[in-house]
Amino acid sequence: QSALTQPPSASGSPGQSVTISCTGVSTDAGDYNYVSWYQHHPGKAPKLTLYEVNKRPAGVPARFSGSKSGNVASLTVSGLQAEDEAYYYCTSYTGGNKLFGGGTKLTVL
Amino acid sequence: QVQLQESGPGLVRPPETLSLTCNVSDDSVSRGRYYWHWVRQPAGKGLEWIGRMYTTGTANYNPSLMGRVTIARGASANQLSLKLTSVTAADTAVYYCARETAGWGACEFWGQGTLVTASS
Repeated sequence: QSALTQPPSASGSPGQSVTISCTGVSTDAGDYNYVSWYQHHPGKAPKLTLYEVNKRPAGVPARFSGSKSGNVASLTVSGLQAEDEAYYYCTSYTGGNKLFGGGTKLTVL
Repeated sequence: QVQLQESGPGLVRPPETLSLTCNVSDDSVSRGRYYWHWVRQPAGKGLEWIGRMYTTGTANYNPSLMGRVTIARGASANQLSLKLTSVTAADTAVYYCARETAGWGACEFWGQGTLVTASS
C-alpha cells in the first residue's frame, strides 16, 4: 500500500499563496470525497485543516482551501502568515484503509 | 469538546508487545458514530496510519502491520487500546490516538501523543 505523494517542501512570502499537491488519492466512488489535510507543528498533535476535500472545521481560517481532480488533491493557503509554517499531510481512504502522504514542510520566508 | 490522552510504557524490549491506552474524556468509545484511530510518527519521518476501530468494535488495519496489531475497547467505557506484537526498533515512534466522526473521513480530535522506544 503506497503512501500518497506530496512535494517534500513548499515556501512563500507573507501574504502570498502556496499550493501543495497530493497525488494518488482514491478515485473510487465511495471514497472519492474522503480527502483531508492536517497541519502538524513538531511536538504537537496534528490539527485537522480540511476534510471532504474542501470543508473547514470550526476555527480554521478561510485562507485554507482545497480541491480535487481525479487522483490529485490540492491544498491552497492564501495570504500566508508566519504561523502557517508547519508540515502538512494529506490523507485519503481506500476501502476502509487510510493512507497518509509523506508530508510537505511549508516555510514562510 | 472531547479530549484524548495516550498512556503506556515508554520503553518496550524487542520482541515484546507494545500496549498503549487512549483515555477519552467521555464514553464515546462505546456509543455514537465514531471511528477511533491510532497513528504513529517515527522520528524524522511522516505520519503512518496504524488502524481504526468503529464504535461497534469492528476494526481495519494497515496491511503492513496486519497480523501484529489489535485495536479494541479498553478496560472501561472511555478507553481505547492498541497492542502491537513482536516489536522491533522500527516500531519506535510517537503514537497518537484520534477520533473521526463517521462520514467526515477525517480525525477532528487528537491526543498529544506518547513516545514509545523499542530497544533492548
